[in-house]
Amino acid sequence: KQEVTQIPAALSVPEGENLVLNCSFTDSAIYNLQWFRQDPGKGLTSLLLIQSSQREQTSGRLNASLDKSSGRSTLYIAASQPGDSATYLCAVSNQAGTALIFGKGTTLSVSS
Amino acid sequence: NAGVTQTPKFQVLKTGQSMTLQCAQDMNHEYMSWYRQDPGMGLRLIHYSVGAGITDQGEVPNGYNVSRSTTEDFPLRLLSAAPSQTSVYFCASSYSNGGGAETQYFGPGTRLLVL
Repeated sequence: KQEVTQIPAALSVPEGENLVLNCSFTDSAIYNLQWFRQDPGKGLTSLLLIQSSQREQTSGRLNASLDKSSGRSTLYIAASQPGDSATYLCAVSNQAGTALIFGKGTTLSVSS
Repeated sequence: NAGVTQTPKFQVLKTGQSMTLQCAQDMNHEYMSWYRQDPGMGLRLIHYSVGAGITDQGEVPNGYNVSRSTTEDFPLRLLSAAPSQTSVYFCASSYSNGGGAETQYFGPGTRLLVL
């Protein structure tokens, strides 16, 4: 059974710092991997999607990498801002691409 | 586009009552799915659909029923509510490029309290 783990569970950093969020998964037979952001009491917003054949994706200050063989993904946030404070969720799609399996998230707090 | 919409935003039920959580999308997406989010458990898949008339079970389907009569709508029915179904429910949709689901778009959620 696929399991997704995110480390750390919580992270506090000062504004301007670069940071890395980690995601690991137990079964490398995935269709794709997505990183989401969730603000308190809100829905999920997709940040980046990496296909199983890709190594990384970039959007603005965000860069996500994927090493499928080792079952790892990282989300790199450059020059963090207070507005980046949220919970970040990693999810892998099963090989058929029909279901997402989520990690429990990393709650990020960026102080000004 | 309104994206993915869910109604109601919040609902209180008594044990044994039934209700339907509504989900609609206006992006012509083939894939739609329902997740529940519980503290300490993360998000878990309840049911999903790969197109009108086609549904399948996810990780936690017991106590829930779904149907997909149109591309736009994917309602989730609670047959006889139990306190264990107290949760936040999210609906999601995505398109397919001929393979599996691509970027998933989530609705704002429905908070359900079962007393």
